[in-house]
Amino acid sequence: EDQVTQSPEALRLQEGESSSLNCSYTVSGLRGLFWYRQDPGKGPEFLFTLYSAGEEKEKERLKATLTKKESFLHITAPKPEDSATYLCAVPDNYGQNFVFGPGTRLSVLP
Amino acid sequence: DVKVTQSSRYLVKRTGEKVFLECVQDMDHENMFWYRQDPGLGLRLIYFSYDVKMKEKGDIPEGYSVSREKKERFSLILESASTNQTSMYLCASSPPPNSGHIQYFGAGTRLSVL
Repeated sequence: EDQVTQSPEALRLQEGESSSLNCSYTVSGLRGLFWYRQDPGKGPEFLFTLYSAGEEKEKERLKATLTKKESFLHITAPKPEDSATYLCAVPDNYGQNFVFGPGTRLSVLP
Repeated sequence: DVKVTQSSRYLVKRTGEKVFLECVQDMDHENMFWYRQDPGLGLRLIYFSYDVKMKEKGDIPEGYSVSREKKERFSLILESASTNQTSMYLCASSPPPNSGHIQYFGAGTRLSVL
């Protein structure tokens, strides 16, 4: 069964304290790994897609990396406005639907 | 920019009422999806559609139905609302897998069934 797990479940950082979020998946034939940001009470907002091991994508203080079995979202010198839930997802084995992870709830304290 | 619009941000309904949640996308996407999101359970797929008048059950279709009469519009219907359907409902659309596959989400509808 396709599965996506994320760790930690929640993370509290001080402003400027860098860290990483993890997304592990067990789907055969990866067709991309997708990162989303979700603010409270809103829909998920697309951040990155990664397609092959070794690929990296960056956006402001966020950098996503991909290996054969997991992805990391690195947050460098975070600010309070980076506080959100970060979701990762992979297409299922049929390729049409997404399997979402449970998310990591990030809080960045001033 | 892709825009997925859900008709209501907040809804309060009574048990037994028929509830319609509407979703419209402006990017001519073939695929549309309805999810519900609950604390501790994450995003769960209710129904999806790959084309007009086509629909497929997701992981939790019980108590729901959908309608896709036009490509841009995908409606979720709660035939007889129950309290356990209180949740955040999210609509998404995407192009086919060979065109990027990214799912774009609406802002969500928070439904309370009393």
